[in-house]
Amino acid sequence: SQQGEEDPQALSIQEGENATMNCSYKTSINNLQWYRQNSGRGLVHLILIRSNEREKHSGRLRVTLDTSKKSSSLLITASRAADTASYFCATDALGGNTPLVFGKGTRLSVIA
Amino acid sequence: GAVVSQHPSWVICKSGTSVKIECRSLDFQATTMFWYRQFPKQSLMLMATSNEGSKATYEQGVEKDKFLINHASLTLSTLTVTSAHPEDSSFYICSARDTSHVSGGFYEQYFGPGTRLTVT
Repeated sequence: SQQGEEDPQALSIQEGENATMNCSYKTSINNLQWYRQNSGRGLVHLILIRSNEREKHSGRLRVTLDTSKKSSSLLITASRAADTASYFCATDALGGNTPLVFGKGTRLSVIA
Repeated sequence: GAVVSQHPSWVICKSGTSVKIECRSLDFQATTMFWYRQFPKQSLMLMATSNEGSKATYEQGVEKDKFLINHASLTLSTLTVTSAHPEDSSFYICSARDTSHVSGGFYEQYFGPGTRLTVT
């Protein structure tokens, strides 16, 4: 079952601008992860944020997590054309060996 | 990090035939494996969960007789699409987890590169 909702579904920006994608989920989680997927390719793991963390940085990526609102955001700063891809959040639910559940994703287009 | 491979990376088959996709964990023991399916411009949808030596658990709406999953060893799971039809054309992604190793209070899940299936 799919529990995440991403917003927006599609985003088009100019190179150098920042891109913000949001993700909402429904159940309590151990952690939330963000993945990137280039068209027709496999997943690339970007960042993991634990349920007791509120913000995490990795290079040009900044992820926030608000467990009270069951939402997360991914910010890509100073975007590049190479950032063009689909971005998915995935939640790891509490309760043991349950699979990651993916949101619907945001298709990001960065125009040079 | 842990590596999961899939074979083949892409396959074209005729309608009515069966095709097998292999998923291997290369440097760890995958006690649990998951199979996802992704249609164009959509997200990953979980198809089934399998634990080594046990029967797979299928998600609602996934036909277990059509999508046969075998997880006979700790490093290999196979998905066989039987009597494939054009609507089965999709990107199939496997994922593996080593539940004997806890990292930061949870089990990490590693993804294969995916298999593109086209049924003509």
